Amino acid sequence: DFQMTQSPSTLAASVGDRVTITCRASESISNWVAWHQQKPGKAPNLLIYKTSTLQSGVPSRFSGGGSGTEFTLTISRLQPEDFATYYCQQYDSYPYTFGQGTKLEIK
Amino acid sequence: QVQLVESGGGVVQPGRSLRLSCVASGFTFDYYSMHWVRQTPGKGLEWVAVLSYDGKNQNYADSVQGRFTISRDSSKKTLFLEMDSLRVEDTATYYCGRDATFDIWGQGTMVTVSS
Repeated sequence: DFQMTQSPSTLAASVGDRVTITCRASESISNWVAWHQQKPGKAPNLLIYKTSTLQSGVPSRFSGGGSGTEFTLTISRLQPEDFATYYCQQYDSYPYTFGQGTKLEIK
Repeated sequence: QVQLVESGGGVVQPGRSLRLSCVASGFTFDYYSMHWVRQTPGKGLEWVAVLSYDGKNQNYADSVQGRFTISRDSSKKTLFLEMDSLRVEDTATYYCGRDATFDIWGQGTMVTVSS
């Protein structure tokens, strides 16, 4: 099974900051990585798929990158609505696996 | 409106069964593989099962293999998860999701396994 390890687990930042969340796979995988945002009490919401493709309707301040075993989610200018928990997910092979999550908090 | 709506959660004793449903609307249900994922505060998001668009291929997490069965009814645009021999550790919020990227998530239904 591919394990996905996210870092950091918690990140404190301010509105307007640029932040990057990293996800490391236990083995080299192709580009089948997605990123989801989840707000308290709500279902997750897809932001990015295939490593770097922005889901329709997602603001362009979100971007994804990486390859091999290291993948990143970057938010270029944090907005108040971006404070949430973020999860990476691999869909290269079953069982699909998620990272443990990164909680983005207001500094 | 493209959406998935889960139902069927509740409180059940260990060893008993429960069936979850996920009704799809706003898209061609038969075109997509469908998944179940669960979430607990302690273990985060855990992928549970997948059923191919045509209902012919399925795959399960080791933790539920042999106890859970995923199925679909195209005429009702509904995905099911039959959960047997439930354990305390199956307690979670269960989400259905569309396609490998989970581009659509349901709102979730809570399952509590407790004596």
